[in-house]
Amino acid sequence: DAKTTQPTSMDCAEGRAANLPCNHSTISGNEYVYWYRQIHSQGPQYIIHGLKNNETNEMASLIITEDRKSSTLILPHATLRDTAVYYCIVRASNAGNNRKLIWGLGTSLAVNP
Amino acid sequence: DAGITQSPRYKITETGRQVTLMCHQTWSHSYMFWYRQDLGHGLRLIYYSAAADITDKGEVPDGYVVSRSKTENFPLTLESATRSQTSVYFCASSDAQDYGYTFGSGTRLTVV
Repeated sequence: DAKTTQPTSMDCAEGRAANLPCNHSTISGNEYVYWYRQIHSQGPQYIIHGLKNNETNEMASLIITEDRKSSTLILPHATLRDTAVYYCIVRASNAGNNRKLIWGLGTSLAVNP
Repeated sequence: DAGITQSPRYKITETGRQVTLMCHQTWSHSYMFWYRQDLGHGLRLIYYSAAADITDKGEVPDGYVVSRSKTENFPLTLESATRSQTSVYFCASSDAQDYGYTFGSGTRLTVV
């Protein structure tokens, strides 16, 4: 599975968009980009995933560059409750019995009032 | 709706004792996983299971045993607890369509 690089920490003002970048320059053609977040002392929470097209759901938008070497998670109107560690992971979805996700240290996002 | 529950929430045990952490999910998800989370290491996979009676090792399986006799349960046993196994343990499940993992609330284990 490809590795990812994320900034260690970021700040965002409440009500503004939070744009979290992720670099995955060694991504393979069959690997998806997944985003999770972990609020302090809780289990990680799935946010969104995508292959090559941009994706949007009720939580966030995922923008993947045309060459798929990087992506950006967008929280359109960040709130204090979005303060968390955000993880970007790439993995082949059609991995048979191997559904392992390899986690890095993520980006610690602080949303400030 | 809890969906996936872990128990106990907190546990203190002594070195050398056997301890079992429980994980139960109500969705009949095929896949289940055990991770540990330590400062500076992020989440590391201990064991995972693709279905009942099918389990496999992850990155850090030594000192742990798992079983999956029923789809909904995936207990993790520390056969002889060591201080290095002090950690927060998370269980997760995923359906066959792989729409992301769902995690439990975690078990904070302290080995003294």
